[in-house]
Amino acid sequence: AQKITQTQPGMFVQEKEAVTLDCTYDTSDQSYGLFWYKQPSSGEMIFLIYQGSYDEQNATEGRYSLNFQKARKSANLVISASQLGDSAMYFCAMRPLTGANSKLTFGKGITLSVRP
Amino acid sequence: DSGVTQTPKHLITATGQRVTLRCSPRSGDLSVYWYQQSLDQGLQFLIQYYNGEERAKGNILERFSAQQFPDLHSELNLSSLELGDSALYFCASSPTGRLGTGELFFGEGSRLTVL
Repeated sequence: AQKITQTQPGMFVQEKEAVTLDCTYDTSDQSYGLFWYKQPSSGEMIFLIYQGSYDEQNATEGRYSLNFQKARKSANLVISASQLGDSAMYFCAMRPLTGANSKLTFGKGITLSVRP
Repeated sequence: DSGVTQTPKHLITATGQRVTLRCSPRSGDLSVYWYQQSLDQGLQFLIQYYNGEERAKGNILERFSAQQFPDLHSELNLSSLELGDSALYFCASSPTGRLGTGELFFGEGSRLTVL
């Protein structure tokens, strides 16, 4: 079974500053993928970034980077140069890369508010 | 725009009723996933279809059922509705039954309110 833990309460960050959103996971799979999604108030789920468990380098996508620490089973999202439009709910998710089960398991999410 | 279309966007109905939510996946995607998002349960996986066949089942109630049609669109049927079924229902698609390094592409969701 897979489990994603996001325990931070609502996060606040000043515009133009960086912020880290925490995610820890638990899985018995040797090969897995980690994802971050953004859900603004409008409700849609927007894919941000992906990290494979065998990737040696941390993933980056524009202002988003993933701080992947496999031994600690953490996959924190770092948003640099925060913008007002970054205010949203952020979900960490994972799925196995082998086997028949390909569903994404999500964490509870973290609310981020960017202050002007 | 993810390319995944869900209808209706909003739906208000009464307890005991039955509703159908519809999803059109991205062109060429064979796999469809249904998720339920409620305030207390977060995002819960309901069911997955791949090319018309059920592939995986999650926390889907017996009152709920789904299918994927030959044209790959999918429907989620919710019956004998209860107040607790009020939630945002997402459909997502992916190219294959087992994802490569890609993500799920989510629709905008169908917000169901049961009164």
